[in-house]
Amino acid sequence: EPEVTQTPSHQVTQMGQEVILRCVPISNHLYFYWYRQILGQKVEFLVSFYNNEISEKSEIFDDQFSVERPDGSNFTLKIRSTKLEDSAMYFCASKGSGTGELFFGEGSRLTVL
Amino acid sequence: AQRVTQPEKLLSVFKGAPVELKCNYSYSGSPELFWYVQYSRQRLQLLLRHISRESIKGFTADLNKGETSFHLKKPFAQEEDSAMYYCALSGMNRDDKIIFGKGTRLHILP
Repeated sequence: EPEVTQTPSHQVTQMGQEVILRCVPISNHLYFYWYRQILGQKVEFLVSFYNNEISEKSEIFDDQFSVERPDGSNFTLKIRSTKLEDSAMYFCASKGSGTGELFFGEGSRLTVL
Repeated sequence: AQRVTQPEKLLSVFKGAPVELKCNYSYSGSPELFWYVQYSRQRLQLLLRHISRESIKGFTADLNKGETSFHLKKPFAQEEDSAMYYCALSGMNRDDKIIFGKGTRLHILP
């Protein structure tokens, strides 16, 4: 069964460093999302991406964040200068054109020291 | 404002007892409602959605528009039901985001 894959599974970084989280969505999907979950809190929407552009972003998704689909398969989330409060589990998700079901990756745990 | 409320952070139920996980929502328009589940060390996955009216793993959920609720129910809990359960909603457009409640941890006692 096809699934969304994310790398790395865990990344530890120093405050102020740039981080890139990678996702390979399911191959025929058209809609891509990043969510995050701070420990003990709910899963929060960050950004949605369709037709090679951002379709919606939350207030969390400020100028420090960017997304890219560089080669038609990967979907990346970049945090330019990480802050302590960026420590969270980041989930990538994708959706096909038909159903509304979101398929999630296993997540990338980011720890900012 | 769009909001999903799950009032219980933790629900402990004995094996064989009925389960009800509460979910209320706020949305201007007609949302699509979902329940997602996350078993230990696994990814978030869709359990069921209101438009399909299915029963998955013995779970059902009925959308009550008057009470703006979408409670998840199962008549007889099983130990393998222990997991984190998230109620979620989305608009009806294909690219609409899904927003999640805070989740309820269901713990089935032997």
